[in-house]
Amino acid sequence: GENVEQHPSTLSVQEGDSAVIKCTYSDSASNYFPWYKQELGKRPQLIIDIRSNVGEKKDQRIAVTLNKTAKHFSLHITETQPEDSAVYFCAGGLAGGATNKLIFGTGTLLAVQP
Amino acid sequence: NAGVTQTPKFRVLKTGQSMTLLCAQDMNHEYMYWYRQDPGMGLRLIHYSVGEGTTAKGEVPDGYNVSRLKKQNFLLGLESAAPSQTSVYFCASSTGTVETQYFGPGTRLLVL
Repeated sequence: GENVEQHPSTLSVQEGDSAVIKCTYSDSASNYFPWYKQELGKRPQLIIDIRSNVGEKKDQRIAVTLNKTAKHFSLHITETQPEDSAVYFCAGGLAGGATNKLIFGTGTLLAVQP
Repeated sequence: NAGVTQTPKFRVLKTGQSMTLLCAQDMNHEYMYWYRQDPGMGLRLIHYSVGEGTTAKGEVPDGYNVSRLKKQNFLLGLESAAPSQTSVYFCASSTGTVETQYFGPGTRLLVL
């Protein structure tokens, strides 16, 4: 089955700096890779996702890159702000597959220091 | 729309007691999921459903049962609670296979 590893587990940056979180996946058939943000005491919410037919996707200060050959994908946050502080989860899954489920990474606690 | 709601928000159980967690969604989603979240472990899938009347096992199904008698509801049952089931439980729903999942607010469960 799919396994998703996420690094680092904690990340501290200064406001305005960039943050990068990396994930690797094991199932080469996986074709859908979302990122969720969870603020303290809140529910996870989707912030961006990428499918295997593209290599990069951007949404304002957030971007995700995918390397299918190496089976890894990354979240990039530029010009970080204190409100970016949260736990970020990557996930992988097979859209259209029989299993119909996502496997989540263990999360990265991002702290943006003002 | 309320989105995804969960009942209760917090519960304390004694070892061996049983309880049912209720998840409800008003988005007409076919797919529903139950996860547990533990420190350092991320979100682990317990059970999921791809439609009314169907259920399937996830990564950590032992000790839990589920039912999806109505499309909008997904129930998670603990027949005999154990301290290892102390966790935060999240329900989620989606329109289709691995599409955006919308999470409920979570249920914090403490088993003594």
